[in-house]
Amino acid sequence: GAVVSQHPSWVICKSGTSVKIECRSLDFQATTMFWYRQFPKQSLMLMATSNEGSKATYEQGVEKDKFLINHASLTLSTLTVTSAHPEDSSFYICSARVPSPDTQYFGPGTRLTVL
Amino acid sequence: GEDVEQSLFLSVREGDSSVINCTYTDSSSTYLYWYKQEPGAGLQLLTYIFSNMDMKQDQRLTVLLNKKDKHLSLRIADTQTGDSAIYFCAVNFGNEKLTFGTGTRLTIIP
Repeated sequence: GAVVSQHPSWVICKSGTSVKIECRSLDFQATTMFWYRQFPKQSLMLMATSNEGSKATYEQGVEKDKFLINHASLTLSTLTVTSAHPEDSSFYICSARVPSPDTQYFGPGTRLTVL
Repeated sequence: GEDVEQSLFLSVREGDSSVINCTYTDSSSTYLYWYKQEPGAGLQLLTYIFSNMDMKQDQRLTVLLNKKDKHLSLRIADTQTGDSAIYFCAVNFGNEKLTFGTGTRLTIIP
């Protein structure tokens, strides 16, 4: 149980385009999902908390107009990187929260490369 | 503040036990977790411990929590080549979010 999927697993795009990444909880409902970014050989950096039916809460320093988050259902959250630039290239990982016991289950990640 | 620290590297001979350590700075922890990340993959939840527990064992994994010293450890018995990965300690400080350590890269020596 507690499986989280992400799509796509990797994407290459041109500078200036927008890219949408999906995060799905496959066998459970998640009112809260999280989006992280991971740079090579580094730990995870929390970008935002995605709550079903309400606006996402962004961490300090994360541009909400650049990284659009939508959590329209209890099993799906999306992250859209708008007007992507090479510095947005990274590994993006989502997680879905199970409240009891309070745990997060992670997706397999999406590698974004912006040319 | 909420800070979690780990050593960056650990090398262990195949068949020996691996002990990965983690320290944290805030005493308001609720749950503490160990995740495993293999190259190019997401994080796999290995185990977790509630802050009012001292120890938890799950097959080859043993988690020890010393709340007084704010120290968490993960022991992997009979370490195998498939255990090679980066292991992250994560702490829930009571606000739904997880604070991650830097990760410890475990290398198995044949």
